[in-house]
Amino acid sequence: QLQLQESGPGLVKPSETLSLTCTVSGGSVKTTSYYWGWFRQPPGKELEWIGTIHYSGSTYYNPSLERRVIISLDSSKDQFSLSLSSVTAADAALYYCARSYGYIDSWGQGTLVGVS
Amino acid sequence: AIQLTQSPSSLSASVGDRVTITCRASQGISSALAWHQQIPGKPPTLLIYDASTLKSGVPSRFSGSGSGTDFTLTISNLQPEDFATYFCQQFNNYPLTFGPGTKVDIK
Repeated sequence: QLQLQESGPGLVKPSETLSLTCTVSGGSVKTTSYYWGWFRQPPGKELEWIGTIHYSGSTYYNPSLERRVIISLDSSKDQFSLSLSSVTAADAALYYCARSYGYIDSWGQGTLVGVS
Repeated sequence: AIQLTQSPSSLSASVGDRVTITCRASQGISSALAWHQQIPGKPPTLLIYDASTLKSGVPSRFSGSGSGTDFTLTISNLQPEDFATYFCQQFNNYPLTFGPGTKVDIK
């Protein structure tokens, strides 16, 4: 069964870069059938899509964040990563990685990131 | 970006009730809509995709309908494990967007 697990610092300083990694197990990122994405949910707010990457290397970013976001994929480790630069308090949230086929069909457990 | 609205934002129901949640898109999205369930403290889980296709393993008391801009999620014979928040997600266009959620709690 596919599992996704986020990892990374739980606290980032303002103006610095938030870096998270998602490790995929029970499956592989080396597939052309699916996309791999990052999402976040600030406390008490709705989910927000950050961006998505395909094994081909294609990336898609939320226009509201794309100046600060880079998503990359390491197929040798079955991982994909998020880099969000110049963070502010508004970036504090529960961050999820997920697999999507348009719709999200598998979610990671989520990791809480604070900014302070 | 396509905006999704949901109604109601919350509802109270009893075990055995039939519950209907509505999701409306700001522009037509064909059938490119999914429904997810989120229990507090846990990640979301997919229930329905393509507006009406039940994910394998999801109980048949969950059903979805609609196309274009108006969609519904129906839970018939509500069970104790169904008390959760439900939100819709459109995947017709980037950016992917989500509804604000509907919280279903116990009456």
